[in-house]
Amino acid sequence: EDKVVQSPLSLVVHEGDTVTLNCSYEVTNFRSLLWYKQEKKAPTFLFMLTSSGIEKKSGRLSSILDKKELFSILNITATQTGDSAVYLCAVEVEGNKLVFGAGTILRVKS
Amino acid sequence: DGGITQSPKYLFRKEGQNVTLSCEQNLNHDAMYWYRQDPGQGLRLIYYSQIVNDFQKGDIAEGYSVSREKKESFPLTVTSAQKNPTAFYLCASSIEGSTKNIQYFGAGTRLSVL
Repeated sequence: EDKVVQSPLSLVVHEGDTVTLNCSYEVTNFRSLLWYKQEKKAPTFLFMLTSSGIEKKSGRLSSILDKKELFSILNITATQTGDSAVYLCAVEVEGNKLVFGAGTILRVKS
Repeated sequence: DGGITQSPKYLFRKEGQNVTLSCEQNLNHDAMYWYRQDPGQGLRLIYYSQIVNDFQKGDIAEGYSVSREKKESFPLTVTSAQKNPTAFYLCASSIEGSTKNIQYFGAGTRLSVL
């Protein structure tokens, strides 16, 4: 059975802190790994990773994939209250299907 | 404005009642998906469709039904056979056959049982 595990389940930090969110996976036909941010309703796309060791970056957010060790991390530097959200990790498998982790709830306190 | 529209935002179901959740997209995407989100469990796939007039069961299809008569529309019916329907339902779409299969989501429908 395909499985995606995220850690920690929840996290509370202060503005300005740096956070690292983890995603490990065990799937039979890996195609890509995606990160989404869900604030209230619709998850919004952040990154798609397909190759090991290549960092994707967008402003204060960055992500990297390790296909040998089967995990990815999402880093957020200089956190702001607007970063408070649920961060979802998903792995694309055969048939264009996404297998999601349970998410990490991030709360940034001012 | 291109996007995915789900309606209604909130829906209440009585015992024994079937209810239908609407999902419409104007992104010209071939593939559409329905997910259920429960607290602490992430998103679970109910049904998906890669082309008009064809759809496949996901991991938790029991108690649900779908149709795909038009490319733009993928309604989900929660039947009375679904004994625990209270959840947040998300619809998504993507370009079929692309090497960058990013799914884009609607704003969701929250279903509760009266």
